[in-house]
Amino acid sequence: GNSVTQMEGPVTLSEEAFLTINCTYTATGYPSLFWYVQYPGEGLQLLLKATKADDKGSNKGFEATYRKETTSFHLEKGSVQVSDSAVYFCALSEEWASGTYKYIFGTGTRLKVLA
Amino acid sequence: EAQVTQNPRYLITVTGKKLTVTCSQNMNHEYMSWYRQDPGLGLRQIYYSMNVEVTDKGDVPEGYKVSRKEKRNFPLILESPSPNQTSLYFCASSLQPGRYEQYFGPGTRLTVT
Repeated sequence: GNSVTQMEGPVTLSEEAFLTINCTYTATGYPSLFWYVQYPGEGLQLLLKATKADDKGSNKGFEATYRKETTSFHLEKGSVQVSDSAVYFCALSEEWASGTYKYIFGTGTRLKVLA
Repeated sequence: EAQVTQNPRYLITVTGKKLTVTCSQNMNHEYMSWYRQDPGLGLRQIYYSMNVEVTDKGDVPEGYKVSRKEKRNFPLILESPSPNQTSLYFCASSLQPGRYEQYFGPGTRLTVT
């Protein structure tokens, strides 16, 4: 079946370091891809998305490019801040049966940024 | 304020005692969904509703029921809770499924003893 695989955490970085969180997926069709972020004690919120191959999603200094050839959607940020400490989820949405959609999330990657 | 609300936020109950977790959205969204979040497993979809007429199972529907009698509400029902349903539950909604952002509620932490 379809799946999303993320690198395991936790990832611990110093402030201003470069961040990469890997995400690969398996899907039978042409999914939309998302990164969500979860701050402690809160629900998930959308960070960025891409809906077709070669699209780049970006927000708050984070970027991810939809790579169909490698089935990947890696999250990057050039300079992390302490306030970026959170859990990051990669997810896909794909049409399942005629007209219906399902969402699949990765297991989440915890990021801790040290001052 | 556009939001998804869930109640209760915390619930401790005993095995077999029926419970309902409510979910409501004020954004006129068609698509609504329930997830459970467990350590090491991420979020898994329990049920989803394309609109008030179409509701279907997600990846882990066993032991849960839902209803979508009106567009804004999508309650999650546990007829006979068991300890393996102890988890953090999230309701979410989106304008349409597929390429649109999902908006998540604040979560309900359920403990079944």
